[in-house]
Formats: sequence, C-alpha cells, structure tokens
Amino acid sequence: QQKVQQSPESLIVPEGGMASLNCTSSDRNVDYFWWYRQHSGKSPKMLMSIFSNGEKEEGRFTVHLNKASLHTSLHIRDSQPSDSALYLCAASNNRIFFGDGTQLVVKP
Amino acid sequence: NTKITQSPRYLILGRANKSLECEQHLGHNAMYWYKQSAEKPPELMFLYNLKQLIRNETVPSRFIPECPDSSKLLLHISAVDPEDSAVYFCASSQANWGANTGQLYFGEGSKLTVL
Repeated sequence: QQKVQQSPESLIVPEGGMASLNCTSSDRNVDYFWWYRQHSGKSPKMLMSIFSNGEKEEGRFTVHLNKASLHTSLHIRDSQPSDSALYLCAASNNRIFFGDGTQLVVKP
Repeated sequence: NTKITQSPRYLILGRANKSLECEQHLGHNAMYWYKQSAEKPPELMFLYNLKQLIRNETVPSRFIPECPDSSKLLLHISAVDPEDSAVYFCASSQANWGANTGQLYFGEGSKLTVL
C-alpha cells in the first residue's frame, strides 16, 4: 500500500495564478513532511519541510500541516513558468517515503 | 550540485557489467541508491548508514551495492536487463539509526540506457 498519496496527479495553472498541491500519509508513525521539486532532467531538490502543526511561508511558497490528519499542502502564489516541475511529497520517521508526485505546468 | 558527485552521468549498455560511483562531500552518515524510471517517483533500492547496509529493498540480485567508506557508494550491475533503463540517483542525509532521516541531498544521477 502506498504510504504517501498526492493529488492531483497533474495541474495546469496560468502564469501569476495559485497552485495548490495536496499530500496525505497513511502511516501514523511519520513525523516529518518534505516537499521536493524536480525539474525535467534534473535531480530532486528539497523545497520546504514542515514538522509542526500550522503554516510555514518562504517567499511565494506556503506549506500547511495538519498532524492529526497527516495532511500537508503546498501553495505556490504568483506561479511562474520556472515553477513547472514534478513536486514530490515525502514523509519520514526513520526512513523516507515518497508519493507519486504532482506534475505542475505553469502556462505563460 | 558538486557536493554529491556521480559517475558516469550517461551509459549505454548491452548485456554487460558496469559499476556506478558516488561520492558525497557533506559528512553525512547515510547514503542511498534510488532508481527513477520514466514518469515515476524515485524508488529506494539500498540504504547505508555508517557503512552498514540497513535495508536491502527487493531489487534484482544483479544489483550489488558496496560502501567502501562512509563518503563513497558503488552500485555494481551485472547482465543488465532492458527494464533496468532508468536514472540512478545517489543521495545522502545526516541520519542516525532510529532517528529521523533528515533532508535528502541528491546527486545529478546516472542515466542508464539498456539496448
């Protein structure tokens, strides 16, 4: 059973729009959540992490975490074409589990 | 990212043997091999923590990992199969056994094409 589920599978937003990505873990032992971004032909790179309930903002990127429901979301405001990438959610305790990713396309 | 280097970056093989190499300059305890096939997320193949193989995922026996020291990781592949065509990423993290893995840092990958 997949331990980390992401939705949607793919997302198209216009330049300047808001992109919202979702992720839920089915493993109650996880206690850290990570968002990685992978541009085409490149390696994944950690974008943001969140360990506590609530919200964390870094520039145009905001992550939310609800530990009771093991749900995290990533929101990208004022989306740019350079944000087009595969966004991987990961949950971890003493090992890390990746979701299948959301493919984001930002159209100029 | 020059802090984790992988070689070779590209290789094209028939049914041959080959080794992939990885070195990290981050002082991390844990190193990983991931396989990423087209349109899929990275899948964990092997994890080393302080040079000890912690988990050996259910990968074909033709893949053999080796960790000669805590900063180096090798992946020996024998008699490759077309289904092995993928990008193989090395990664590292500052992790201790039983504790959280910490952030993963990935190398640039080795793209394997099997003819």
